[in-house]
Amino acid sequence: DIQMTQSPSSLSASVGDRVTITCRASQGISNSLAWYQQKPGKAPKLLLYAASRLESGVPSRFSGSGSGTDYTLTISSLQPEDFATYYCQQYYSTPPKLTFGGGTKVEIK
Amino acid sequence: QVQLVQSGAEVKKPGASVKVSCKASGYTFTSYGISWVRQAPGQGLEWMGWISAYNGNTNYAQKLQGRVTMTTDTSTSTAYMELRSLRSDDTAVYYCAKGYYDSSGRDAFDIWGQGTMVTVSS
Repeated sequence: DIQMTQSPSSLSASVGDRVTITCRASQGISNSLAWYQQKPGKAPKLLLYAASRLESGVPSRFSGSGSGTDYTLTISSLQPEDFATYYCQQYYSTPPKLTFGGGTKVEIK
Repeated sequence: QVQLVQSGAEVKKPGASVKVSCKASGYTFTSYGISWVRQAPGQGLEWMGWISAYNGNTNYAQKLQGRVTMTTDTSTSTAYMELRSLRSDDTAVYYCAKGYYDSSGRDAFDIWGQGTMVTVSS
């Protein structure tokens, strides 16, 4: 199975900061990567798919990049509503064996 | 609007089974897959498996093979996840999630159910 290593596991940041979260796959996943935001007690919300495509309705301060095994989620200017936990997920495997990263909790500094 | 509505919370004893339902609305059910994802208290997301609502094909996470069965009822646009031989470490919130692109299972998830808490305790 493809393993997803996400870092950091947590970070503290201030409103207005630029935040970067990385996800490394144990093998190449050809941009078959999604990013989710989860707030306490809520289901995850899709932010980006295909590594860099923004889901409809998601603010443009969220962006994704990467290729091969290494991918990045960037929040260009952190807003109060962005404090949450973020997960990456690969969907490359056939037959489907999907895996999530361990999560990154973004906290208020 | 497109939504997935799950059944309510369950409390089960070790060794029992649980069956969680996920009713879809607002889209063509058979055009997409449904995955099940669980989250133990304070932990991350764990993919459990996928079912194609188009043809019923399934694929399960290795660690759950033999204990989990995913099915669909296309007449009611409902997906089901049954987990047997429950253990305390199966205590988690269970989510269903709709595939973004198609029914192949190699997908991001654009719509999630509200979650179903399953507690396993003697």
